[in-house]
Order: sequence, then C-alpha cells, then structure tokens
Amino acid sequence: AQSVAQPEDQVNVAEGNPLTVKCTYSVSGNPYLFWYVQYPNRGLQFLLKYITGDNLVKGSYGFEAEFNKSQTSFHLKKPSALVSDSALYFCAAETGANNLFFGTGTRLTVIP
Amino acid sequence: EPEVTQTPSHQVTQMGQEVILRCVPISNHLYFYWYRQILGQKVEFLVSFYNNEISEKSEIFDDQFSVERPDGSNFTLKIRSTKLEDSAMYFCASSDSGLSNQPQHFGDGTRLSIL
Repeated sequence: AQSVAQPEDQVNVAEGNPLTVKCTYSVSGNPYLFWYVQYPNRGLQFLLKYITGDNLVKGSYGFEAEFNKSQTSFHLKKPSALVSDSALYFCAAETGANNLFFGTGTRLTVIP
Repeated sequence: EPEVTQTPSHQVTQMGQEVILRCVPISNHLYFYWYRQILGQKVEFLVSFYNNEISEKSEIFDDQFSVERPDGSNFTLKIRSTKLEDSAMYFCASSDSGLSNQPQHFGDGTRLSIL
C-alpha cells in the first residue's frame, strides 16, 4: 500500500535557526513527491516538488527538499527560519491518475 | 496570480439534507479535484475529474457523492443525505496538466458543519 509518513506532529525552532520537517514515503515505482503549506483557514499552497533529476529541489519562500531514494525520504529544509514560516506542512505523493496522497501534517512553530 | 475560489466559506446543514459545494477552478485548467480534511486529520483525496468525467475516485467517494461541471467555469460537489461524519473542510483543486508538469492549485476550502 502506498503511504506518506510525517513522524513529527510538531516541530519547534527558534527564528534564524535551520529547520527540517521530515517525510518518508512508500510508493511503488518512481515517486512524484510534493510539499504543501497550509496557513490557518486557508487552502494548501504548493511549495515544491520532486519529479526526477537533481535530488535537491528548491521551492518557494526559501524552502528546499532533498530526495533520498535509499532512505525513501523527502525532508523539507530551510537554512534560516522566519516567524512567518509557522504553519502546517504536508508532504504528499502522487498515487497514480494524477491525484495526491497526503501525510498527516507537521505543525511548524518558529519561536521569535 | 489566478486562484481557485470556493463558495461558501462555511456551510451549516441539517443531517439528512443535501448540500452543494461550489468551486471555480483556474480558467485554463483542465483537471479538477475534491479533497476532504476532517478536523485535525490529514487531507484525503475524494475524486478527480477530467474531460467531463470522473477519472479516479477514492473509497470515500461513495454513492452519496457526485460531481458536476455544469458550465464552463464551475465545478461542484454534491453530498446527498448528509451525515454527521461528513463534517469537514472540503478543498477544491485544479491543474492544467499532469502532476509531473504542474502542481495542483487549491482553494481556501468550504467548512461543512452537519448538525
């Protein structure tokens, strides 16, 4: 069965420090992987995707993610966190027929 | 930047009633989706729609649910005979091609409360 796991419900980081939000996947074939962010009372906003090619993917707002096939991971990273980065982050994988399967989400809190 | 718009932002309905959630996808997009997020839980895929027909649906999308593109701009989700457990945020999304090329763009959602 295909699945996406986000092992941390909550991540706290001090402003200015690097942040990592973890994601692992179990997807048959070559995965298409995504990160979305959700602010309160808003829909999901696309951050970045991995389809093929370079394992380090750069996205919106200074975020990047590293695809690691051997560890089946796609962790989201940012070198220096901002208070405005505080939100709910979802990792997702394509499951075929162009639809997305989401992880359970990680709430990121950046502490001033 | 073009956006996916959803109306209403909040819908309160008595159990057993029918409800229609409305979405206006981005105008040049061809693929349309509905997702559901029960409070505190992950976002779940319901259905995808392309070329005026359902291309895929999840096991959540049973006979209680239907989708329609009644005109060139709207994409609706109808829930017949609503149940308490249908209470959730419902998100519409659209894309202009497959996920390998373009991501899905999401609306801000409709919060459905079943009483």
